[in-house]
Amino acid sequence: DQQVKQNSPSLSVQEGRISILNCDYTNSMFDYFLWYKKYPAEGPTFLISISSIKDKNEDGRFTVFLNKSAKHLSLHIVPSQPGDSAVYFCAASAYSSASKIIFGSGTRLSIRP
Amino acid sequence: DTGVSQDPRHKITKRGQNVTFRCDPISEHNRLYWYRQTLGQGPEFLTYFQNEAQLEKSRLLSDRFSAERPKGSFSTLEIQRTEQGDSAMYLCASSLPPYNEQFFGPGTRLTVL
Repeated sequence: DQQVKQNSPSLSVQEGRISILNCDYTNSMFDYFLWYKKYPAEGPTFLISISSIKDKNEDGRFTVFLNKSAKHLSLHIVPSQPGDSAVYFCAASAYSSASKIIFGSGTRLSIRP
Repeated sequence: DTGVSQDPRHKITKRGQNVTFRCDPISEHNRLYWYRQTLGQGPEFLTYFQNEAQLEKSRLLSDRFSAERPKGSFSTLEIQRTEQGDSAMYLCASSLPPYNEQFFGPGTRLTVL
């Protein structure tokens, strides 16, 4: 049972344009959502997060949107830069479950010149 | 560098051998998590410690796996009688209250021949 789903295994975006990565979840107990970025041969790096009491959180070029009724979140990167090419993992946790993180399967983002 | 460190970074072993991995969390973080990541998937939760107490183990953690955190600082993950299906990246993460965000190490890549 996949509780966090990233249905797009890959995404290619032109440099300077907006990258939108999508994620769906099924467990209504999740109260915290995170995006991690991963380069090859490295561990995941925390990027941005959002609590379930909010619907938007912004940090520089990165914005995460949460739609609780649809159980959907998205990550917007504007403008996209070559260094953004990586695998992005959507993840969720529940304080009641010791905050262990449930990850999606990842989306590989490629920024083309 | 004060991030999470893991040792070794790579381990190649023959089926049936025992292996042990080490994780050193960020020094003031009292929670330590172990995850496993296989190709094309996101990391999957294995177990976590709060200080020296192991508070939860995933059903993924078979009897051949054991983890310790004897003094509430570094942790070890041992796999006995390794099988080819154990080949994966083993990731360690640590966190502080309220434990929403976890910081990952670079991982140990295990290859079982």
